[in-house]
Amino acid sequence: RKEVEQDPGPFNVPEGATVAFNCTYSNSASQSFFWYRQDCRKEPKLLMSVYSSGNEDGRFTAQLNRASQYISLLIRDSKLSDSATYLCVVNPGFGNDMRFGAGTRLTVKP
Amino acid sequence: NAGVMQNPRHLVRRRGQEARLRCSPMKGHSHVYWYRQLPEEGLKFMVYLQKENIIDESGMPKERFSAEFPKEGPSILRIQQVVRGDSAAYFCASSPRSLAGPYEQYFGPGTRLTVT
Repeated sequence: RKEVEQDPGPFNVPEGATVAFNCTYSNSASQSFFWYRQDCRKEPKLLMSVYSSGNEDGRFTAQLNRASQYISLLIRDSKLSDSATYLCVVNPGFGNDMRFGAGTRLTVKP
Repeated sequence: NAGVMQNPRHLVRRRGQEARLRCSPMKGHSHVYWYRQLPEEGLKFMVYLQKENIIDESGMPKERFSAEFPKEGPSILRIQQVVRGDSAAYFCASSPRSLAGPYEQYFGPGTRLTVT
């Protein structure tokens, strides 16, 4: 089983749609969780951290379910500029190491 | 504050040559990570270093690959005797010193290695 698993997509949605991505992780000792965004042929950039109580940043909401070992990202009112690959990132529980999921590709269409 | 810097941005090597990829972390960051991304695939962790120490190299191929982060200067990822399968984008990331981490990682623009 992979350490971090994501549905690769692609998700093709119209502008204004709400879309949700899930990510599961295998190490129950994992402590920290993040969502990164990667545009084509660019470096990954931090989108948001994921806190135990859940957190929201504008149109983006992240949730953590430790019991089921998954995190989610919800994007409301999708914009064309949201088109990217979204990477789920998990700290496996020691040091500063991070493990990246393979990413979920989102395309928002007019 | 300059971000993570990587050079060269593009590197072309013939099979059997050596490739040296350099990474300068953000100012104040003492942790460096190297990742490899094959075309149309996700990021694969390779190695995690602090100054003069390799903390985790569980993602490094056993042969031909090595990494260092000396006391002075950038971190270096070295690939000896490159093969076509080494063609990929190599990303470096850095994070601050961990007291109550882990902290999020900040990525450089990557080095795209092409082996001909």
